[in-house]
Amino acid sequence: DIQMTQSPSSVSASVGDRVTITCRASQDINRWLAWYQQKPGKAPKLLIHTASTLHSGVPSRFSGSGSGTDFTLTISSLQPEDFATYYCHQANSFPRTFGGGTKVEI
Amino acid sequence: QVQLVESGGGLVKPGGSLRLSCAASGFTFSDYYMSWIRQAPGKGLEWVAHILSGGTTIYYADSVKGRFTISRDNAKNSLYLEMNSLRAEDTAVYYCVRAMAGPRDYWGQGILVTVSS
Repeated sequence: DIQMTQSPSSVSASVGDRVTITCRASQDINRWLAWYQQKPGKAPKLLIHTASTLHSGVPSRFSGSGSGTDFTLTISSLQPEDFATYYCHQANSFPRTFGGGTKVEI
Repeated sequence: QVQLVESGGGLVKPGGSLRLSCAASGFTFSDYYMSWIRQAPGKGLEWVAHILSGGTTIYYADSVKGRFTISRDNAKNSLYLEMNSLRAEDTAVYYCVRAMAGPRDYWGQGILVTVSS
């Protein structure tokens, strides 16, 4: 199984900050990496698929990069509505796996 | 508009069974692969099962293999998850997901399953 390791597990930030979250796969997943945002009590929402493609309706302050085993999610200027938990997810092979999550908090 | 509505959750005793349903509307259900994802209280996301559009190609997480069965009825626009031999660690919110991790990704609101005596 492919293990997905996310870091950090939590980050304290302020509105306007640039935030970077990393995700490392235990083996090459090409660009089959997605990022999700989840707020308490809500279903996750897709932000980015295929490592760097912004999902429809997602603000351009979100960006993704990477390929192979190392990936990054960047929020260029944190907004109040961005305080949430973020998960990476590999869609390269089965079983599908998620990273452990990164909580972005004030 | 796209809707995925889960039902069938609730409280069940360890060793018991439960069948989750997901009613799909607003899109051509038979065109899409579907998945079940779960999230234990206060924990991260866990992929459970995946079924391709025709219903014959299926994948399971090791944690549920042999106990859970995913199926679909394209004529009824419905996805199912039959859960047997339930354990306390199966307690979670279960999400029905369309075309996960792609440009047509869409999630239901989730349904709580609690396994407790």
